[in-house]
Amino acid sequence: GAVVSQHPSRVICKSGTSVKIECRSLDFQATTMFWYRQFPKQSLMLMATSNEGSKATYEQGVEKDKFLINHASLTLSTLTVTSAHPEDSSFYICSSIAGINEQFFGPGTRLTVL
Amino acid sequence: DAKTTQPTSMDCAEGRAANLPCNHSTISGNEYVYWYRQIHSQGPQYIIHGLKNNETNEMASLIITEDRKSSTLILPHATLRDTAVYYCILYHGGSQGNLIFGKGTKLSVKP
Repeated sequence: GAVVSQHPSRVICKSGTSVKIECRSLDFQATTMFWYRQFPKQSLMLMATSNEGSKATYEQGVEKDKFLINHASLTLSTLTVTSAHPEDSSFYICSSIAGINEQFFGPGTRLTVL
Repeated sequence: DAKTTQPTSMDCAEGRAANLPCNHSTISGNEYVYWYRQIHSQGPQYIIHGLKNNETNEMASLIITEDRKSSTLILPHATLRDTAVYYCILYHGGSQGNLIFGKGTKLSVKP
């Protein structure tokens, strides 16, 4: 199947700093990428839909000025958590659609904000 | 909200078949049944999907009832590495649709 990578796999930062997470499609072009967040013992929740060359679409309750998404190329989308706080600590996962009906996920990024 | 209902957890003995049920009584005609699994601290992994016919691949089999209101994922010979949370998801496909995850079933394969 198609491969989606994320970097970094794990990051620890201080409260108030910004963190950038990269999501790459390695062997296919991704017009659309999705960003999910998963808190401990909970399911994945969609945060936003990232479209190449246009603004991202955010789900209700997700602050677009806090979670900046850039999808500047067909193989790269980035999520920047600005002014991170401990409550932003979570597992962030991106995904993209390859082919017609198959969605592939990255390995996830564990963010810990101290 | 997720449109599927799954048991919270299941146990299976290593080497035996694991049968994971899913109810989706409000499924619409253009929705596929997808199964993903998530091993601890990893991204979800695609397993299989189907519309109305039974499907089989190298990982699993998917049995969909004739009325499409329920389905069963079958792992024919479960191994310890199959321990994961299994998600049954309805998805209409296309390039714009995202997946809506429910709580899934925590499958524990025991030696």
